[in-house]
Amino acid sequence: KNQVEQSPQSLIILEGKNCTLQCNYTVSPFSNLRWYKQDTGRGPVSLTIMTFSENTKSNGRYTATLDADTKQSSLHITASQLSDSASYICVVSPNTGNQFYFGTGTSLTVIP
Amino acid sequence: GAVVSQHPSWVICKSGTSVKIECRSLDFQATTMFWYRQFPKQSLMLMATSNEGSKATYEQGVEKDKFLINHASLTLSTLTVTSAHPEDSSFYICSARASFNQPQHFGDGTRLSIL
Repeated sequence: KNQVEQSPQSLIILEGKNCTLQCNYTVSPFSNLRWYKQDTGRGPVSLTIMTFSENTKSNGRYTATLDADTKQSSLHITASQLSDSASYICVVSPNTGNQFYFGTGTSLTVIP
Repeated sequence: GAVVSQHPSWVICKSGTSVKIECRSLDFQATTMFWYRQFPKQSLMLMATSNEGSKATYEQGVEKDKFLINHASLTLSTLTVTSAHPEDSSFYICSARASFNQPQHFGDGTRLSIL
């Protein structure tokens, strides 16, 4: 069964600290994995996309890693800011068609 | 970057009313648009996929007669919630994609509240 699981479910960190969010998937075959940031009451915004051959990709303070062998991905946020408070969603695509498997998301709260 | 506009952003209406939500791709042509529903503290759940000029493909458990989808042009798709009831209250989000190899771009969602 194709599944995407994220952990932790929620996380509270102090402003300026780093954090890492996890995404484990069983989707097969694998095409790509995306991390999205969703602010409360808004639509998701893409942070990174990773294909099978990519191990690491950065977008500013966001760095995503992918281990296609163990089917794990992580999103590392450096020097967190209050504006990083949001839900982070991992989405895995098995092919280039219309299938997408969404994780349940990690709710991140950054406090001053 | 690619922009998807969704309208209205918030609607409150009485039970039994039909509500139409629009999704527009502003700066690209979207061959495929997706409609999602999201309940509080949950992830997005795909409701249906629509390709321009053809009938939408609905996910299992989604009533096509309840949620009417029209994708009449490459820049506009509409979702009509017919005879809405309180249990239809949710956050509805659309996304648009130019082609298979392109990413989805999401709208900002429509919060639907049925009284």
